[in-house]
Amino acid sequence: GENVEQHPSTLSVQEGDSAVIKCTYSDSASNYFPWYKQELGKGPQLIIDIRSNVGEKKDQRIAVTLNKTAKHFSLHITETQPEDSAVYFCAASLSAGGGNKLTFGTGTQLKVEL
Amino acid sequence: GAVVSQHPSRVICKSGTSVKIECRSLDFQATTMFWYRQFPKQSLMLMATSNEGSKATYEQGVEKDKFLINHASLTLSTLTVASAHPEDSSFYICSAVQGNQPQHFGDGTRLSIL
Repeated sequence: GENVEQHPSTLSVQEGDSAVIKCTYSDSASNYFPWYKQELGKGPQLIIDIRSNVGEKKDQRIAVTLNKTAKHFSLHITETQPEDSAVYFCAASLSAGGGNKLTFGTGTQLKVEL
Repeated sequence: GAVVSQHPSRVICKSGTSVKIECRSLDFQATTMFWYRQFPKQSLMLMATSNEGSKATYEQGVEKDKFLINHASLTLSTLTVASAHPEDSSFYICSAVQGNQPQHFGDGTRLSIL
């Protein structure tokens, strides 16, 4: 089955700096890669996703890059703000939607310091 | 759009009690719903996949007689933890999917068994 590794487990940055979180996956059949943000005591919230037919996707301060050959994808947050502090999870799946299961990474605790 | 509501948000009860958790998709019809379990500072572990009108598919190691899932309509799935014990204490989260859209998560239920 799919295995997703995520690094780093914790990340501390100064407000305004950029943050990068990296994930690798094992199953070359995976084609869908979402990123979720989880605040304390809440469920995960989808912040961005990418499908394998594109290499990069951007939404304001958030971007995701995908390298299918190397089987890794990354989340980039620019101009970080204190409200970006949360746990971020990457995930991989055969496809979005339907009964396709998500395999999650182990999570990254991001702390944005003033 | 794509709002998933989970109820209750917190349950504290005595050992041996059965607990029911509801997951509703408020503004869409969910073809599939998923149930996850999350321990503190850990990732989400998929417990089961639920499709409306059919039996849930459980992940390996998840006791189907302990964690009863009912998906009676396209907007409601329930998870019942039967005769809960302290080791069942955890954060339970559901997600819902419409067609080929991403999974959207509820805000979770914190279950504490005394």
